[in-house]
Amino acid sequence: EPEVTQTPSHQVTQMGQEVILRCVPISNHLYFYWYRQILGQKVEFLVSFYNNEISEKSEIFDDQFSVERPDGSNFTLKIRSTKLEDSAMYFCASREEQETQYFGPGTRLLVL
Amino acid sequence: GEDVEQSLFLSVREGDSSVINCTYTDSSSTYLYWYKQEPGAGLQLLTYIFSNMDMKQDQRLTVLLNKKDKHLSLRIADTQTGDSAIYFCAVLSNDYKLSFGAGTTVTVRA
Repeated sequence: EPEVTQTPSHQVTQMGQEVILRCVPISNHLYFYWYRQILGQKVEFLVSFYNNEISEKSEIFDDQFSVERPDGSNFTLKIRSTKLEDSAMYFCASREEQETQYFGPGTRLLVL
Repeated sequence: GEDVEQSLFLSVREGDSSVINCTYTDSSSTYLYWYKQEPGAGLQLLTYIFSNMDMKQDQRLTVLLNKKDKHLSLRIADTQTGDSAIYFCAVLSNDYKLSFGAGTTVTVRA
C-alpha cells in the first residue's frame, strides 16, 4: 500500500542552523501539507501546498519557514535559522482530490 | 479557528469496549477523522465519517456523530493490548485544514 515517507526520522541541530526536512508524498497525490506537534501538545497545521505554491499557512509559518517541491517526488520544509522552540515532531501529509490526508511517520527535530 | 477537545486518558480492561469522545466547534466541518499514534510512530488513519452520516462501522471500530451537539465518538470493541496508543480526533474545515484534538491516551490492562 502506498505511503508517505519522511527523512530523516530524527534530526538534532544547533540553534541558528538551517534544517531541511524531506517528505515523499504518495505518488498520485496533488495536495501536500506540513504539520508539527510540540511534545505534549496538539498537532498543529503549518502550511498547505498545491500546484507549486502555498495555498494556506498558519501564523506559525513565518519567514523562517519555506516549502518547496524541487522535483516530481520530494516535498521539503526548510527552517532557515532554527530556534529552541522549533523542537517538535514534524509531519508531512498528502491527499489526492478526495479530502482524506495521509500522514508520514514524522521527523523528530531537536534544537539545542 | 476550530477548537477540538478530547479527554486525555482512558484505561480499559482487555476484552472490554473503549469509547473515546471528542467535541468540536465548527458546524461547517465536512469530514471528521480518527487517527492512531503508537509510541514514536506517525499518525495512522483509522477511520473517518462524513458530516451527513450518523454512524460508521468498520470491523471493531464504530464512529458515532451527533452533529447537533458537535460530538464525535470512537468505540473500539473487544479492546486488545495492541490498541494501546494515543487516539486523535481531527476535523476538516472548509479550507481543508485539519484541526486536531490533544489526543486520548488509551491504556489497555490485562
